[in-house]
Amino acid sequence: AQKITQTQPGMFVQEKEAVTLDCTYDTSDQSYGLFWYKQPSSGEMIFLIYQGSYDEQNATEGRYSLNFQKARKSANLVISASQLGDSAMYFCAMRGLGGSNYKLTFGKGTLLTVNP
Amino acid sequence: GAGVSQSPSNKVTEKGKDVELRCDPISGHTALYWYRQSLGQGLEFLIYFQGNSAPDKSGLPSDRFSAERTGGSVSTLTIQRTQQEDSAVYLCASSSTSGSVSYEQYFGPGTRLTVT
Repeated sequence: AQKITQTQPGMFVQEKEAVTLDCTYDTSDQSYGLFWYKQPSSGEMIFLIYQGSYDEQNATEGRYSLNFQKARKSANLVISASQLGDSAMYFCAMRGLGGSNYKLTFGKGTLLTVNP
Repeated sequence: GAGVSQSPSNKVTEKGKDVELRCDPISGHTALYWYRQSLGQGLEFLIYFQGNSAPDKSGLPSDRFSAERTGGSVSTLTIQRTQQEDSAVYLCASSSTSGSVSYEQYFGPGTRLTVT
């Protein structure tokens, strides 16, 4: 079984500042993948970044980086230079990499508000 | 290219009626998923299709829910005898299972179901 915990229901950040969204996970899988998705008010889920449990380096995608600490079972998302368009719900998710079922387990999400 | 499409975008139905929700995945994606997003429950996995394999129905909440995927492409989620607790946004996602190891899932815009 897998579990994702996002302890921040809401976060506020000033435009152009960096923000960290927390995510901890629990799994019995030896090999797994961690994902972050963004859901704006329009409702569509947008894939942001992926980290494999076997990756030694933290993933980065533009202004997004994933602070992966395997021993702590954490996979925090860091957004640098926040923009007004970053205001949205952010979901952390994971799946096992063994077998053939790739279903995702999601956290409850964090609502990020970027203030001008 | 075209993303995942879902129809209808909104559906209001009376308690006890049956509803059908449609998902058209990205062309060439062999994996298709249905998730449900409701207040307080976050995103829940419902069902997973992969190629010609038997679907993983482990997330379906009751036998009133069923889904099929025709020709390895379009999928229909059917809810029989709808109940008010079925009110939610139903999200469909698809992914490739070759190439990138991350196999990120691409989501459709969802169908908002309201049962009155």
